[in-house]
Amino acid sequence: GNSVTQMEGPVTLSEEAFLTINCTYTATGYPSLFWYVQYPGEGLQLLLKATKADDKGSNKGFEATYRKETTSFHLEKGSVQVSDSAVYFCALSDRGDYKLSFGAGTTVTVRA
Amino acid sequence: NAGVTQTPKFQVLKTGQSMTLQCAQDMNHEYMSWYRQDPGMGLRLIHYSVGAGITDQGEVPNGYNVSRSTTEDFPLRLLSAAPSQTSVYFCASSYRAPERNEKLFFGSGTQLSVL
Repeated sequence: GNSVTQMEGPVTLSEEAFLTINCTYTATGYPSLFWYVQYPGEGLQLLLKATKADDKGSNKGFEATYRKETTSFHLEKGSVQVSDSAVYFCALSDRGDYKLSFGAGTTVTVRA
Repeated sequence: NAGVTQTPKFQVLKTGQSMTLQCAQDMNHEYMSWYRQDPGMGLRLIHYSVGAGITDQGEVPNGYNVSRSTTEDFPLRLLSAAPSQTSVYFCASSYRAPERNEKLFFGSGTQLSVL
């Protein structure tokens, strides 16, 4: 079946530091890949997505590239802010799926 | 625009009690779903619906019932609460099923404790 593995953290960074969260996946077909973010006390919201190999998703300074050869979709941001403190979830959907498959989530805390 | 509205935000139950978690969306979405979020396990799908009158089981359906009598509403019923059902529950919806790369819209969650 489909599955997502991501580094669990927690990750603590200083403001303006570089952030990477690793995500790898297992899928039987050609999945679409997503990063969702959950700010404290809120539901998840879509951060970015990529629907085919070599696509790069980007939003709010975050980027992730769909790498089919390494089955990865790592999230990066060059300079984090305190407001980026949140839980980040990697997820995938595949043809015939009626759900998103989520990773365990990575808690990121950015200190001023 | 209200989006996806979940009630209640917090609930404490005793073992064996039943209750209903409410979910409503005002975006005319066909697809609605319930997830539970547990530490270290991400989100797991409980039940989903692809339209009014149509529901199906997800990964962890035992102990839960759903119905979809209208497009807007998708309540989740706990039949006889157990401590293993202590979790944070999220309702999520989208225009079509996730296989179409649709963005899921999430409610703000219900934190449930079963004693």
